[in-house]
Amino acid sequence: ELKVEQNPLFLSMQEGKNYTIYCNYSTTSDRLYWYRQDPGKSLESLFVLLSNGAVKQEGRLMASLDTKARLSTLHITAAVHDLSATYFCAVTLHQFYFGTGTSLTVIP
Amino acid sequence: KAGVTQTPRYLIKTRGQQVTLSCSPISGHRSVSWYQQTPGQGLQFLFEYFSETQRNKGNFPGRFSGRQFSNSRSEMNVSTLELGDSALYLCASSLQGGRETQYFGPGTRLLVL
Repeated sequence: ELKVEQNPLFLSMQEGKNYTIYCNYSTTSDRLYWYRQDPGKSLESLFVLLSNGAVKQEGRLMASLDTKARLSTLHITAAVHDLSATYFCAVTLHQFYFGTGTSLTVIP
Repeated sequence: KAGVTQTPRYLIKTRGQQVTLSCSPISGHRSVSWYQQTPGQGLQFLFEYFSETQRNKGNFPGRFSGRQFSNSRSEMNVSTLELGDSALYLCASSLQGGRETQYFGPGTRLLVL
């Protein structure tokens, strides 16, 4: 069964700092998603990465995919409080396999 | 376009009862997937329906079942509820399913007492 691991599980960072969330997966896939979930809310699609070397950016978030290393990263630049949420990566084969999630808290 | 809607939003049941949850996908979307989210197990795939047929199923016991109607609306049913079934149940829709971007509904929070 495909395994998707994220680290860290919990991240507390100060506003203005940079940090990276890592997503490792156990089998070959050339498509990876990042989702955001606010407390008590549903999941919102952030990025879909469709090939090796793909990079997508939206505001202070940038996601990349290295299919050879089976690794995706979500980089946060100059964090702000509004980015506080849980971030999930998901790999697709015949179904979606979600990572464990990274709970991000940005402290003013 | 209206998003994915789920009803009810909150539900309290007792052990042994059964429950039916409903999901209306985004207009034009033919695939509906269901997930169970718990703090301990995270997001786990239950099943996917496409054109009224179950196309994929996760590792859940037979107490969990679902169906899809001709208008793409979907229901999932859990029979003989157990305490461990307490979770947030999320429904997601996409145009054709499979590996496409899934759009999630607000979820149904089920508490089993």
